[in-house]
Amino acid sequence: SQQGEEDPQALSIQEGENATMNCSYKTSINNLQWYRQNSGRGLVHLILIRSNEREKHSGRLRVTLDTSKKSSSLLITASRAADTASYFCATADGSGNTGKLIFGQGTTLQVKP
Amino acid sequence: DTEVTQTPKHLVMGMTNKKSLKCEQHMGHRAMYWYKQKAKKPPELMFVYSYEKLSINESVPSRFSPECPNSSLLNLHLHALQPEDSALYLCASSQVGGRPNTGELFFGEGSRLTVL
Repeated sequence: SQQGEEDPQALSIQEGENATMNCSYKTSINNLQWYRQNSGRGLVHLILIRSNEREKHSGRLRVTLDTSKKSSSLLITASRAADTASYFCATADGSGNTGKLIFGQGTTLQVKP
Repeated sequence: DTEVTQTPKHLVMGMTNKKSLKCEQHMGHRAMYWYKQKAKKPPELMFVYSYEKLSINESVPSRFSPECPNSSLLNLHLHALQPEDSALYLCASSQVGGRPNTGELFFGEGSRLTVL
């Protein structure tokens, strides 16, 4: 069963603008991860935030985690056409030992040049 | 370039055929996964192998049979599939253990399966 819900389902912006995607989940987690998937390709890991962290940065990516609200957001700053892809959040279960990740429904991002 | 290699990239099979999907990684990871992804949907976990032993089977029908011959290889044997099994099948690997276990997955590019 899928645990995460993401919004928006689809997002279209101009190059240079910022893109924000949100993810909500239902059960306790060990960590939350974000992945990108270009059309018809495999998924690529972007960033991981642990349950005891509130914010994390990686290049143009900023992730926040609010465990009290069971939600996370991914911010992509100064977007580029190459950022066009689907973005999924994924949660690792509370024990963190199984490596089992459950993916959210995803946000499809289109960045127009 | 992904360090997880999946073959074939595309596969078309009839409902009576037997075929296999293959996955290989040389990162020394000891956990390997099969996910199924339908169009415009998230990946759905099918199987997890940890140290070459099946640790998770997400109630997958027996027409899908996983096999992990060694720590670098993962197969998915297909038999008597249905048209609704058409999907992108993704293999992934990850480290096991560590402090803490990150659970970060490395995915292959997938095998696109069409069942006629």
